[in-house]
Amino acid sequence: EAQVTQNPRYLITVTGKKLTVTCSQNMNHEYMSWYRQDPGLGLRQIYYSMNVEVTDKGDVPEGYKVSRKEKRNFPLILESPSPNQTSLYFCASRDRGAIYEQYFGPGTRLTVT
Amino acid sequence: GENVEQHPSTLSVQEGDSAVIKCTYSDSASNYFPWYKQELGKGPQLIIDIRSNVGEKKDQRIAVTLNKTAKHFSLHITETQPEDSAVYFCAASTANDYKLSFGAGTTVTVRA
Repeated sequence: EAQVTQNPRYLITVTGKKLTVTCSQNMNHEYMSWYRQDPGLGLRQIYYSMNVEVTDKGDVPEGYKVSRKEKRNFPLILESPSPNQTSLYFCASRDRGAIYEQYFGPGTRLTVT
Repeated sequence: GENVEQHPSTLSVQEGDSAVIKCTYSDSASNYFPWYKQELGKGPQLIIDIRSNVGEKKDQRIAVTLNKTAKHFSLHITETQPEDSAVYFCAASTANDYKLSFGAGTTVTVRA
């Protein structure tokens, strides 16, 4: 089954404690990205990757890092989480080109206290 | 960059009635316009899309219209059913761009 998986699905942490949210896709897609979803703001892109070892900033990259060492995996790293990073996070992947369907993971609900 | 505005933010309809969600975009170079549906506890899922060489596209009870001159596009859901209750997002992109710009979302509630 074609899918994007994320782990963990729910996470409560404290300010400053480094965390990683994993993302994996089994469709051999070149393009992967991370979004955060906040009420009234829709989906905002954090980082994206066009292929292995190729990443770039999206609209709201501050406080986040990513890496793309393998085609299937695209982890999101919060080196020092802050309360304003409390949000719902989605990983997504698609084939090359915006005209192809983008597949989203199930989401990770992060709370930073 | 592209700016997509979506209205209304919430929409309540009686089962069987129609629902319409409207989006406007700012970049005249945009030529790909997908719509995503997000059910509770799940990630968004593509339900329909339209490209700039087409003015209207229909898939069963859902349809999308595009007016490139006015830079707006709309989602129409006819004969709404309870399972249509969800958050809907519009988005815009150029065909050669990796970036999808999303609207803020519309929460649709279908009343039984």
